[in-house]
Amino acid sequence: DTGVSQDPRHKITKRGQNVTFRCDPISEHNRLYWYRQTLGQGPEFLTYFQNEAQLEKSRLLSDRFSAERPKGSFSTLEIQRTEQGDSAMYLCASSLAVGANTEAFFGQGTRLTVV
Amino acid sequence: DQQVKQNSPSLRVQEGRISILNCDYTNSMFDYFLWYKKYPAEGPTFLISISSIKDKNEDGRFTVFLNKSAKHLSLHIVPSQPGDSAVYFCAASGGWGGSRLTFGEGTQLTVNP
Repeated sequence: DTGVSQDPRHKITKRGQNVTFRCDPISEHNRLYWYRQTLGQGPEFLTYFQNEAQLEKSRLLSDRFSAERPKGSFSTLEIQRTEQGDSAMYLCASSLAVGANTEAFFGQGTRLTVV
Repeated sequence: DQQVKQNSPSLRVQEGRISILNCDYTNSMFDYFLWYKKYPAEGPTFLISISSIKDKNEDGRFTVFLNKSAKHLSLHIVPSQPGDSAVYFCAASGGWGGSRLTFGEGTQLTVNP
């Protein structure tokens, strides 16, 4: 399967613990995005990378959140000192930046539950 | 500030009929618009897109119409099938946001057999 892959699919953690999610984009895609989706809402942008450079971060991304994309391939999203409000679906997407516009392809997401 | 809005949380249609999903946006800098379909516990799946230089794009049973003056777009599905039942998200990109997508709240489409 050559789609976007996310791991784990589900994560339950206790408040205050740290969690890390992984995303493997489509191999030839140079852009990688993280979004967060809560119930009844559309996905909200968190951050994106072009190759290994993190080019933009949303104000939703508090200092407890950090994302990396070493070597411009897979990416990790870490949440430190989790809070109940962090419970959401975390979605990764990738795209190939050629021309002005291009569609992003999403992974199946990581469902985080903070108890 | 909700820049992309889908005012209908849900829509029910009969199999074989047309489904019309609507989306409004406020940011005139958006220049690329997309529709995604989402099943429960899965990520969004890309359906169809349209650039602001066009007013219509077709792909099989799916057609997207763009009315820039009204800042409105719609997705038509003809004929609707029960397998089309899902949440449909409208998304937009461009302007200061660059390539990142701004999504609407979604519309739950149910196609009855």
